[in-house]
Amino acid sequence: EAGVTQSPTHLIKTRGQQATLRCSPISGHTSVYWYQQALGLGLQFLLWYDEGEERNRGNFPPRFSGRQFPNYSSELNVNALELEDSALYLCASSFGGPYNEQFFGPGTRLTVL
Amino acid sequence: ILNVEQSPQSLHVQEGDSTNFTCSFPSSNFYALHWYRWETAKSPEALFVMTLNGDEKKKGRISATLNTKEGYSYLYIKGSQPEDSATYLCAFAIQGAQKLVFGQGTRLTINP
Repeated sequence: EAGVTQSPTHLIKTRGQQATLRCSPISGHTSVYWYQQALGLGLQFLLWYDEGEERNRGNFPPRFSGRQFPNYSSELNVNALELEDSALYLCASSFGGPYNEQFFGPGTRLTVL
Repeated sequence: ILNVEQSPQSLHVQEGDSTNFTCSFPSSNFYALHWYRWETAKSPEALFVMTLNGDEKKKGRISATLNTKEGYSYLYIKGSQPEDSATYLCAFAIQGAQKLVFGQGTRLTINP
């Protein structure tokens, strides 16, 4: 069974640009989560999507947004990139909601120059 | 603001020794406590999901206990092996929050 996949592996952008990160969950999982790990910090919850709807978001500005497609894959968009957005972005998926075991992808390393 | 504290931040252990580390979390409105292992260049992998006070879970040489009344969980590794080298994350959920709050992790290095 394929695990959670993310693309791209690495992404380099300049300040002010937009970044789009993609995630495909494990087959059968309807919930997708996005996390940010900035340097020196723990995993910070960004967004939770389930059945195509945004169910919860963490303490991040509105320029962090996303969506979930009918096939349950998801996209994270970061607009007006700032230097401090440089981080590892992890996607995870699960059956049901966030209290269940989450399965993580390998991450996208975003570097903002 | 919910805070999950893990200690120690890093740990070096000789191969064959046993070790343990701690995850502390707010004791009110507890719902679940997760442990994940994150090896370098890999994805975090779930070890345990614990929900009941007094719960003890085991997977091979790794076990965990949970005390929801005092707000802590211990992770134990018996007879450490080099493949146990990883960062161990705990994540806490309170009722209604609809998210996991992660600690910063304990980085474990096993010295051969």
